[in-house]
Amino acid sequence: GENVEQHPSTLSVQEGDSAVIKCTYSDSASNYFPWYKQELGKGPQLIIDIRSNVGEKKDQRIAVTLNKTAKHFSLHITETQPEDSAVYFCAANDRASGTYKYIFGTGTRLKVLA
Amino acid sequence: EAGVAQSPRYKIIEKRQSVAFWCNPISGHATLYWYQQILGQGPKLLIQFQNNGVVDDSQLPKDRFSAERLKGVDSTLKIQPAKLEDSAVYLCASSLEDRGRYGYTFGSGTRLTVV
Repeated sequence: GENVEQHPSTLSVQEGDSAVIKCTYSDSASNYFPWYKQELGKGPQLIIDIRSNVGEKKDQRIAVTLNKTAKHFSLHITETQPEDSAVYFCAANDRASGTYKYIFGTGTRLKVLA
Repeated sequence: EAGVAQSPRYKIIEKRQSVAFWCNPISGHATLYWYQQILGQGPKLLIQFQNNGVVDDSQLPKDRFSAERLKGVDSTLKIQPAKLEDSAVYLCASSLEDRGRYGYTFGSGTRLTVV
C-alpha cells in the first residue's frame, strides 16, 4: 500500500518569509494529493490539493508542486503570517486498496515568528 | 453548509471501560470515515462507510472497536474495552463520493484520554 513521508517535522520562519514542506509517496498509482492545515483543538482543514495530471497549483499565498517521476510533492507558503502557524499534513490517495482512502504524512509544525 | 458534527469533544475514561463517539456528516455526503490521530502523528483510517455499508475496515481493531452507520447518515464508533494506547483524537470526516478524488471535510474530533 501507499506510504507517505513528510519533512521537516518542525519549521520556524520569520513573518514574511517563505515556508516549504516536502512529502514523498511510494505508490505511483496515487493520483490525488491534498494538503491539510490543523490548528490546535480543531480537525484538519483542506487548504489546497493537486491531481497527478497537473504539475503545479497556486491559490494566493499557497502553492503546491508535484513531481510524478520522483514521487514527491511540496507545499509552498509565501509571505507567511502568524495565522499560518499550525500543523500541516500532506496526504496521498491509496488506490491500491481500491477504496481511495488517504494516507497521511506525520505532519509539520510550522511556527511563524512575528 | 453546516460542517461535520462530532460529540463529545472530550472524554476521559479508565482502561477497560467502554466509550462511544457520535458523528453527523455533511448533508448529502455518502461517504463517511473514522480516523484515529495519535498525538504527534498523522490521521490513520479506521473505517470507511459508503452510505450504510462498510467499504474498508482493514485497520479497525475489531476485537475492541466497532462502528455503525444506520440509515446512511449518522455514525457511532465504540471502543470496548478501552486500552491506554487508545488515547487519541478520533476524527470523523465525510465526502461527497467514495473515490477520494475530492478533499474530505473533517469534524473537530473527540479527544479520548484513557487512564
